[in-house]
Amino acid sequence: DAKTTQPTSMDCAEGRAANLPCNHSTISGNEYVYWYRQIHSQGPQYIIHGLKNNETNEMASLIITEDRKSSTLILPHATLRDTAVYYCIVRVAFSGNNRKLIWGLGTSLAVNP
Amino acid sequence: NAGVTQTPKFRVLKTGQSMTLLCAQDMNHEYMYWYRQDPGMGLRLIHYSVGEGTTAKGEVPDGYNVSRLKKQNFLLGLESAAPSQTSVYFCASSPPSGSNFHEQFFGPGTRLTVL
Repeated sequence: DAKTTQPTSMDCAEGRAANLPCNHSTISGNEYVYWYRQIHSQGPQYIIHGLKNNETNEMASLIITEDRKSSTLILPHATLRDTAVYYCIVRVAFSGNNRKLIWGLGTSLAVNP
Repeated sequence: NAGVTQTPKFRVLKTGQSMTLLCAQDMNHEYMYWYRQDPGMGLRLIHYSVGEGTTAKGEVPDGYNVSRLKKQNFLLGLESAAPSQTSVYFCASSPPSGSNFHEQFFGPGTRLTVL
C-alpha cells in the first residue's frame, strides 16, 4: 500500500498562507491523494482530493507534482480555527471496486495570532 | 441534517464485558465504515459496509463484529472487551457515486476505555 510522509508539526501566522507538504513516492498511477483534517479530537473532516491536476475549492488548494510523488496543501489565509492535525492520505482500491484510505500520523498545524 | 451520529460518546468497560456502538447517518449513503484511532497511529479501518445487509473486514477486524440491518445504521459490537480495544472509534459514511463520491463524512467519535 502507498504510504505518505508528513512533517510532525508546523507553525503559521494568522492571515498567512499555510503550506503543508506531503511525500507519497510509492503512489500508483490510479491512486488518489486526499487531505483531511481533525480539529481537537473531533471526527476528521474532508478538505480536498486530487489525482494528477492541481485542485482548488473553497477551503484549500492542492498542488501535485508532475511525477505525483509529492503534494502540497495550501490554506491561503490561515485563521486560528485552522489549527488542527492535517492528514495526507492515499486512497487505494481493494476487494474489487471498494477502496480504503491509508492514514498516516498527519501534521499538527498551529496557527498563531 | 444531523449527518453522522454515534452513540454513546463515552464508555468504560471491564475486561470481558460486551457492548455495541451505534452509528446512524441521514444522508442516504450506501457506504459506511468503522475506524479506530490510537495514539501514535493513523486511523485504521475495522469493518465496512457497501450496502444494507452487507459487511466486510477491514485492516483490524479481530475482536469486533458488525451488522447493517438498515441502510442508515451500522453497528459495531465488542463480544468480549480487552484492554487493547481501548481507543477512539469513528464511524464514517460515503455515497458510491455523485458529487460527494470522494468524501467520507465522519461522526464525532466514541471514546472507549477497557479496564
